[in-house]
Amino acid sequence: GAGVSQSPRYKVTKRGQDVALRCDPISGHVSLYWYRQALGQGPEFLTYFNYEAQQDKSGLPNDRFSAERPEGSISTLTIQRTEQRDSAMYRCASSFAGGTYSGNTIYFGEGSWLTVV
Amino acid sequence: GENVEQHPSTLSVQEGDSAVIKCTYSDSASNYFPWYKQELGKRPQLIIDIRSNVGEKKDQRIAVTLNKTAKHFSLHITETQPEDSAVYFCAASSGGSNYKLTFGKGTLLTVNP
Repeated sequence: GAGVSQSPRYKVTKRGQDVALRCDPISGHVSLYWYRQALGQGPEFLTYFNYEAQQDKSGLPNDRFSAERPEGSISTLTIQRTEQRDSAMYRCASSFAGGTYSGNTIYFGEGSWLTVV
Repeated sequence: GENVEQHPSTLSVQEGDSAVIKCTYSDSASNYFPWYKQELGKRPQLIIDIRSNVGEKKDQRIAVTLNKTAKHFSLHITETQPEDSAVYFCAASSGGSNYKLTFGKGTLLTVNP
């Protein structure tokens, strides 16, 4: 696709429910990132994939959060037993290859707004 | 871990004036410093970036300077236009990693016509 695509764009869920957020990176991009952005804040790193391998999950807040990218393309971020504090914008991003070398721009998606009530 | 501080949090300028946003970082191992522009309700978009082996980079009305010794970098926008109004985020690659970005809290820039 033309850009990083995320779905759903908006999700309202009840506390305790599980949610799954989907990311479709730019075609050909091998690196995929998940960030969380609270209102009035900058994006906060959650996890990083290179192809299908989850290379870093140090930013995931706790074990209720998990992510996968089984075929090295589409990724799913899953939040189990959601809590109100999980409410935020979840942004996916992708880049052509891993690393912040010159020209390897990280492109962000429009995000998925999650509200836990 | 890396910590990025960004100032000011809000900035209001008249059209045609210059705007400067400053960031400091904590980890001397950080080597990549992008700036993102985020319009209301939109995704962050990269506008310029700089690597630690360069002191300054310019792209038309936008420039970024980096002082490795002091661990700070700045975004300069000249001849501002109303369409420059947005939230600007600085970021730094978290020390040692070549993929993880730590972002500042953002600066809301308003350019008044």
